[in-house]
Amino acid sequence: RKEVEQDPGPFNVPEGATVAFNCTYSNSASQSFFWYRQDCRKEPKLLMSVYSSGNEDGRFTAQLNRASQYISLLIRDSKLSDSATYLCVGQIYEGKFQFGAGTQVVVTP
Amino acid sequence: DAGVTQSPTHLIKTRGQHVTLRCSPISGHKSVSWYQQVLGQGPQFIFQYYEKEERGRGNFPDRFSARQFPNYSSELNVNALLLGDSALYLCASSGKETQYFGPGTRLLVL
Repeated sequence: RKEVEQDPGPFNVPEGATVAFNCTYSNSASQSFFWYRQDCRKEPKLLMSVYSSGNEDGRFTAQLNRASQYISLLIRDSKLSDSATYLCVGQIYEGKFQFGAGTQVVVTP
Repeated sequence: DAGVTQSPTHLIKTRGQHVTLRCSPISGHKSVSWYQQVLGQGPQFIFQYYEKEERGRGNFPDRFSARQFPNYSSELNVNALLLGDSALYLCASSGKETQYFGPGTRLLVL
């Protein structure tokens, strides 16, 4: 079993719609969690950190549920530029991350 | 401020050869981590170096080695290359909160 699991998608989303997806993690030692965005053939870039209390950054909302060991990401008012692969990441300690395989989101006109 | 830099950007090697990949972290960052990303997968942790010492190692064979220099730059070495080593190799520099990735080195083994 992978330590961080994600639905690979693709999630096909009409422009302006809302999309949400989760990831689950099995390593309870994970201290912090993040969502990274990766465009085709580019490096991952930090989208946002994830907190138990839930946090919002513009159109993006992330949530961590430690009891059920899952993380969620919601994107509102989807833009064409949101098309990317979203990587769920758990931090074991500073410098060591465990990545999911990514969820592909395709926003269509 | 320059971000994480990696060289070369692309590399083609043949089976059995060795390769050295280089990374310079963000100024002030003392930790460098290496990841391998094959197509369709998330990055897999290979090594972390902090203050020139290996702090962590992922599930990779001994053909993979790395080191960190006094200026905190790092090299990843892979010996006896296999076809399956073809991947994007990412270097990440750690700050207090999270990691920042370089653009990667795309290695193709023929």
